[in-house]
Amino acid sequence: EAGVAQSPRYKIIEKRQSVAFWCNPISGHATLYWYQQILGQGPKLLIQFQNNGVVDDSQLPKDRFSAERLKGVDSTLKIQPAKLEDSAVYLCASSFSGAQGQPQHFGDGTRLSIL
Amino acid sequence: AQSVSQHNHHVILSEAASLELGCNYSYGGTVNLFWYVQYPGQHLQLLLKYFSGDPLVKGIKGFEAEFIKSKFSFNLRKPSVQWSDTAEYFCAGWDTGRRALTFGSGTRLQVQP
Repeated sequence: EAGVAQSPRYKIIEKRQSVAFWCNPISGHATLYWYQQILGQGPKLLIQFQNNGVVDDSQLPKDRFSAERLKGVDSTLKIQPAKLEDSAVYLCASSFSGAQGQPQHFGDGTRLSIL
Repeated sequence: AQSVSQHNHHVILSEAASLELGCNYSYGGTVNLFWYVQYPGQHLQLLLKYFSGDPLVKGIKGFEAEFIKSKFSFNLRKPSVQWSDTAEYFCAGWDTGRRALTFGSGTRLQVQP
C-alpha cells in the first residue's frame, strides 16, 4: 500500500513569513495526526483529525498555526507568521480509525528552517 | 496525562554488541507502549508494541522489549546489533485521554563496523 505522502520535503523561509504543508494519508485511514519534532526531541502532537473533525488541538499554537482536513482525506497545516522557534520537522501520520492499539503510519516529514 | 522518558540520548556500540535502550513511563491509565525506529533518511516505523499479556514482546529485526510494571519500564533489547541498526529509536506511550501517542526524546544509536 502507498504510504503517507507529505510535501514539500524541505522549506526555508524568513521569520514572519507564512508556510503551508500538505499531507495525504493512507487511503481509507480516518484518523490523521500532525506532529512537530524539534531537533533533539521526540514528536509532539499538534492536532488530530477524525475524518474532517478535530479531535484534539490542545497543543496547537492557534495564534499562528491552523490546520484543516476539509474532505476528510488530505490535510494542510499552515503557520502564519512563522517564528524562529517553529524550526522543526513536521510529521503527518495516519491510522485506520484512531482506536487504541492501532499503528500509526508516518510520512517522511517536512523539514522547516526559519531564518 | 502519560509521559515517557528516555535517558540514553546517544549510544555508540560495535557490531555484535548487545543493546539495551531505556524507557520509563508515568502511569496514566491503561498502559500501551511502543518502540519506533527512524533509519537515516526514512520515516518512523513501528518496531514493536505492548498492550497486555506476555510482558516480553518481540518485534521486527530481532528486537524485543520487556514491560516491567514495578519499574515503570519498557526497555528495548537486541542481543547482537548490526551496522544497519544505526538509527534513532523512540519509545512512546498511548495517552488514553488524548487518544494519541506521547513520545520520548529519542535515543540515537550508532553502530560501528
